Amino acid sequence: NSKVIQTPRYLVKGQGQKAKMRCIPEKGHPVVFWYQQNKNNEFKFLINFQNQEVLQQIDMTEKRFSAECPSNSPCSLEIQSSEAGDSALYLCASSRYKHSGNTLYFGEGSRLIVV
Amino acid sequence: GQQVQQSPASLVLQEGENAELQCNFSSTATRLQWFYQRPGGSLVSLLSNPSGTKHTGRLTSTTVTKERRGSLHISSSQITDSGTYLCAMEQASSFSKLVFGQGTSLSVVP
Repeated sequence: NSKVIQTPRYLVKGQGQKAKMRCIPEKGHPVVFWYQQNKNNEFKFLINFQNQEVLQQIDMTEKRFSAECPSNSPCSLEIQSSEAGDSALYLCASSRYKHSGNTLYFGEGSRLIVV
Repeated sequence: GQQVQQSPASLVLQEGENAELQCNFSSTATRLQWFYQRPGGSLVSLLSNPSGTKHTGRLTSTTVTKERRGSLHISSSQITDSGTYLCAMEQASSFSKLVFGQGTSLSVVP
C-alpha cells in the first residue's frame, strides 16, 4: 500500500483564487511527480522534482503554477489564479530513483473544483 | 494524436470470466506500466515490464515494444476487480515520467 499522503482530499475555489495542494512522498523517495487527471480521464504530467530541484515541467506549470519540494516539509503545488479548466484530480507520486524503470507510487489525489 | 490508446473503453464481465485489455502506443517506449484506479482516485501499480510477459496472481502483462503494444489479462474476474485499468508508457531518458492512456472501465457483475 502506497504511503504517499496528499491533502486536502477536496478543495473548492472560485475563479481567480489560489489553490494549494500538498504531498508527503513515501519515506526514502526523493523523486516526486505531479499529474493532473481531468474528467475525461486524460492525464497531464505537470512537474517532477528530485529533492528540491525541478527535473522537468510543462509550460503551463511554469506560467500558472507554483510548485516546490522543500527539505523537511511537504511538497506543494499551487495554482496562482484558478480557472474553470483547472477542475481536476491532482495526483502526486513518488519514486526512489529518477532514472527510467522505477515504479511510481501514487497518493489518493486532491480533487479541485473551480466554480 | 493520443500517444497511448487503450481498448476497449469499457467492459462488462460476469464474475469468473476472463478479460483482455489492450494498450497501443505511438512512439518508442522503454516500459509499460499497468495501474488500477479505485473509484475515488488512488492509483495502484499492478505490473510493470519493459518487454515479454510478467505474472502476478490473476494478472498477466505482456509487452511487445517492437510492435508498440501491450496487454493485461485478468483471469477469473471478481466483483472487486471493478474499476479503471490504466496503461502508461515510459520513454527513454524521461526521468520515469509516464504517459497515460484513458483507461478501460471494467465492471464485474454477479
